[in-house]
Amino acid sequence: NAGVTQTPKFRILKIGQSMTLQCAQDMNHNYMYWYRQDPGMGLKLIYYSVGAGITDKGEVPNGYNVSRSTTEDFPLRLELAAPSQTSVYFCASSWTANYGYTFGSGTRLTVV
Amino acid sequence: GNSVTQMEGPVTLSEEAFLTINCTYTATGYPSLFWYVQYPGEGLQLLLKATKADDKGSNKGFEATYRKETTSFHLEKGSVQVSDSAVYFCALSDSGNTPLVFGKGTRLSVIA
Repeated sequence: NAGVTQTPKFRILKIGQSMTLQCAQDMNHNYMYWYRQDPGMGLKLIYYSVGAGITDKGEVPNGYNVSRSTTEDFPLRLELAAPSQTSVYFCASSWTANYGYTFGSGTRLTVV
Repeated sequence: GNSVTQMEGPVTLSEEAFLTINCTYTATGYPSLFWYVQYPGEGLQLLLKATKADDKGSNKGFEATYRKETTSFHLEKGSVQVSDSAVYFCALSDSGNTPLVFGKGTRLSVIA
């Protein structure tokens, strides 16, 4: 009963470094999402995917990239990390948007 | 565009008090509406949902009724417990393929 698994749970990056946040789900969901959560600001959508090979930008895509080569995995790539990317990142998956999402436990990223 | 507005927190209540967290929305068409809950250090979990006007979603003693005439989906619970302390998010989706739009969240603290 793994659900949505995110790694790592915590990470500190220096300005200009790159990293990939991993997200995997074992529920055979077609839809997957990346959100960032900033204090008092709710969740903002970064990218989403409606199936393998298909990705779309959300509200705040700048500075990020994604790929969806398999149904299970949806990694989020940060290139040239900036302090503004300090946040908690959540991956989620669903059958459809109005079926309800299953969220991972999050990755807390600090850029210094 | 679509949006969700929640009452600002934090909300602090004594155990067994009545809870209301207000949520109103703006959307085209007939959205599906959701409440999610986030316990400290965890990802979001679906609490309840309603997919059409006058539907009532319920779970764990929480209820919310989809009111199209007032574009609202207020969350209520008759008697809160300390274990209900969390952040609550209202969200909507205006179609099966559209990612959820979240409100900013309302932090609830219940004291014994």
